[in-house]
Amino acid sequence: ETGVTQTPRHLVMGMTNKKSLKCEQHLGHNAMYWYKQSAKKPLELMFVYSLEERVENNSVPSRFSPECPNSSHLFLHLHTLQPEDSALYLCASSQEITNTGELFFGEGSRLTVL
Amino acid sequence: GENVEQHPSTLSVQEGDSAVIKCTYSDSASNYFPWYKQELGKRPQLIIDIRSNVGEKKDQRIAVTLNKTAKHFSLHITETQPEDSAVYFCAASPSLIQGAQKLVFGQGTRLTINP
Repeated sequence: ETGVTQTPRHLVMGMTNKKSLKCEQHLGHNAMYWYKQSAKKPLELMFVYSLEERVENNSVPSRFSPECPNSSHLFLHLHTLQPEDSALYLCASSQEITNTGELFFGEGSRLTVL
Repeated sequence: GENVEQHPSTLSVQEGDSAVIKCTYSDSASNYFPWYKQELGKRPQLIIDIRSNVGEKKDQRIAVTLNKTAKHFSLHITETQPEDSAVYFCAASPSLIQGAQKLVFGQGTRLTINP
């Protein structure tokens, strides 16, 4: 595997379920991100991790809980979600030490909350 | 915080013609402006970026211009081809946060190239 991989690609869950999204980057990058992409809305930054430390939490409800156990893995734990949380959740990574600025995105996890 | 506005939301051009997408930003501290392309069902990918110390950058058929005074930047695609059909996102970043980007994206422009 190369690049940024996300699992699962599709997830359907009820409002009372607990599930997790997983992201893995094989690029040796030092920063990882969660973005939310909803229809007709801009990409919304949710969380930023740099060197496994959370450096940004963009006013995200507590029903979304991120975890970064090491520089290659990022999780988004989900519980008691609402239907309006249905969206494409994109993970990304970057290597800011070289200051290229480029975000490398995964293909996303399409979440549907019933 | 930073706010990025992008226009138009949809754009349809004839193959071979040029396409222009415009963005404005609000935070004068922003110094990095990338453009991402997202084809249907695919991940967003960086196509070109510009930093605040230059006014224009070109890469083959695509170019980006930046006007820091007016706080706007534009993407220009010349000699458009069917494979240019996609959603294009502009973004702005005021600075790094402890070594990570804090990109704020525009709403996206759906570009359709008509054969």
